Amino acid sequence: RKEVEQDPGPFNVPEGATVAFNCTYSNSASQSFFWYRQDCRKEPKLLMSVYSSGNEDGRFTAQLNRASQYISLLIRDSKLSDSATYLCVVNRGYGQNFVFGPGTRLSVLP
Amino acid sequence: DTEVTQTPKHLVMGMTNKKSLKCEQHMGHRAMYWYKQKAKKPPELMFVYSYEKLSINESVPSRFSPECPNSSLLNLHLHALQPEDSALYLCASSEQGAGGANVLTFGAGSRLTVL
Repeated sequence: RKEVEQDPGPFNVPEGATVAFNCTYSNSASQSFFWYRQDCRKEPKLLMSVYSSGNEDGRFTAQLNRASQYISLLIRDSKLSDSATYLCVVNRGYGQNFVFGPGTRLSVLP
Repeated sequence: DTEVTQTPKHLVMGMTNKKSLKCEQHMGHRAMYWYKQKAKKPPELMFVYSYEKLSINESVPSRFSPECPNSSLLNLHLHALQPEDSALYLCASSEQGAGGANVLTFGAGSRLTVL
């Protein structure tokens, strides 16, 4: 079993749809959590850090459930520009051990 | 504009060549990383430098040789590579502080093709 797993995708959704991505991690010592987006042939870019209390940034909402070792990302009112691969990233501590999930590809269709 | 700068953007090399990838950041970050990414796969960690010292080597073959000349610069020296080493090589940096969440900031990457 991989340390960080994500929905296999791809997700193809119409503009305006709400889409949710799920991520699970196996290392209970993990301390910090992130969602990155990666456009085709570009570098990953931080979308949002994920906090225990949950956090929202515009159309994006991230949730963390430490007991279930589960992270989610909700995108409301999808735009064409949201089309990308979404990477769940977990830091095993507060150091340098970042572990990437395999990514979930999203295509938002007109 | 990315705050982590990588050069060159593209590199084509033969299996007998020696070349280097370069990375620079001026955010005062004390941890720097090399990742390798193949198509449709997530980035795979290769090396981490913390305070200019190699702290993580993910069992990378010796044909890849990292170097951290100072806290802002990170190099990856390449020698006798194989075609399967063709990939996007990503440099990243993060703060190195205890108690707070480090966040990775990536450069735009160097796309390497080995013939």
